Amino acid sequence: DVKVTQSSRYLVKRTGEKVFLECVQDMDHENMFWYRQDPGLGLRLIYFSYDVKMKEKGDIPEGYSVSREKKERFSLILESASTNQTSMYLCAGRTDLYGYTFGSGTRLTVV
Amino acid sequence: EDKVVQSPLSLVVHEGDTVTLNCSYEVTNFRSLLWYKQEKKAPTFLFMLTSSGIEKKSGRLSSILDKKELFSILNITATQTGDSAVYLCAYGQNFVFGPGTRLSVLP
Repeated sequence: DVKVTQSSRYLVKRTGEKVFLECVQDMDHENMFWYRQDPGLGLRLIYFSYDVKMKEKGDIPEGYSVSREKKERFSLILESASTNQTSMYLCAGRTDLYGYTFGSGTRLTVV
Repeated sequence: EDKVVQSPLSLVVHEGDTVTLNCSYEVTNFRSLLWYKQEKKAPTFLFMLTSSGIEKKSGRLSSILDKKELFSILNITATQTGDSAVYLCAYGQNFVFGPGTRLSVLP
């Protein structure tokens, strides 16, 4: 089974803090994605990466950045956390056979 | 703009009922359509559909794709309380997700 691991299940941060969400995959595949999920809005794509040091903006990149220094690790960075970034964040890796494999999610609360 | 629409957004049934969940999409470059089940944690993979008219089955769940009419359905027969979840439809290279259908199965 492929595995995607997110380092934190729950996080509480203060407004203005810089926040790092870490995601590690063991699929040895290039494709990784960060989504946020909010009630009534479904999953929305923030950033994705098809290769090391490569990144592309998704639908809602504002206020976020990403880092992909190694194939297995894809980090989401909130440069200056705001309350409207309170959400569930899901990391995913993609394979042609199984589509997406998701991590267990990080529920971030910004106070 | 690529778009995925799911209906209904919410559905309440009793155990033993059969349900049909709908997913329609507008795409610029179709590759595949996927169904996921999400309970409390992250979505789990159900089906990947790439060809029209070929039904995929897994136990009481089945799904089919109509590429001409741009929609897919997910059927669940003899529903159980454990089927209560949000069912997500997604398509495309970067997987645009629909809003999901929240299914509640009452005992």
